[in-house]
Amino acid sequence: DAKTTQPTSMDCAEGRAANLPCNHSTISGNEYVYWYRQIHSQGPQYIIHGLKNNETNEMASLIITEDRKSSTLILPHATLRDTAVYYCIVSDASGGSYIPTFGRGTSLIVHP
Amino acid sequence: GAVVSQHPSWVICKSGTSVKIECRSLDFQATTMFWYRQFPKQSLMLMATSNEGSKATYEQGVEKDKFLINHASLTLSTLTVTSAHPEDSSFYICSASDLGEQFFGPGTRLTVL
Repeated sequence: DAKTTQPTSMDCAEGRAANLPCNHSTISGNEYVYWYRQIHSQGPQYIIHGLKNNETNEMASLIITEDRKSSTLILPHATLRDTAVYYCIVSDASGGSYIPTFGRGTSLIVHP
Repeated sequence: GAVVSQHPSWVICKSGTSVKIECRSLDFQATTMFWYRQFPKQSLMLMATSNEGSKATYEQGVEKDKFLINHASLTLSTLTVTSAHPEDSSFYICSASDLGEQFFGPGTRLTVL
């Protein structure tokens, strides 16, 4: 039972920033926000995760609202290879491990 | 990051046969692995949690006698689809946890004729 809501699809021009939103209004205090993506016919790939502070790594940035009820994944300079389904997942990892539960995700198409 | 492999990457079999899919954690030990199934244009659905040295935990609606899971070592879990039928055709994906992060295998495409 996914606890997140994402738009079904989005598109973005190559080289521009792709901003993917996610609503998780029922998130609890010890639940993290994780983002994965799945390129066609491949396994999901971890992108980034955060609890309440904004996070950045070599792939993307994660902006979490102050009330933690929503977040945005930002791909700063989208390329054609970023075309994939992006999944936003909330899960309690305080015990050291968690089980990702996937919703429908957002199908991002990056066009030339 | 940690690497998880699956073998085979794809398999075609006749209806009624059994198919074994392997999931390996290549550079870390995983006491727990997870098996997912993904039908075309759908999301990943968790099938079962594979625990090293003990019985797997199956999600509701997943037949444990049809989808046999064995986690004999800290780096290997196997999923056997017994008496496969065309409706079992799907993309099977495993994942394993390393230091709290989940890493996914590349998936196995099963086609049952």
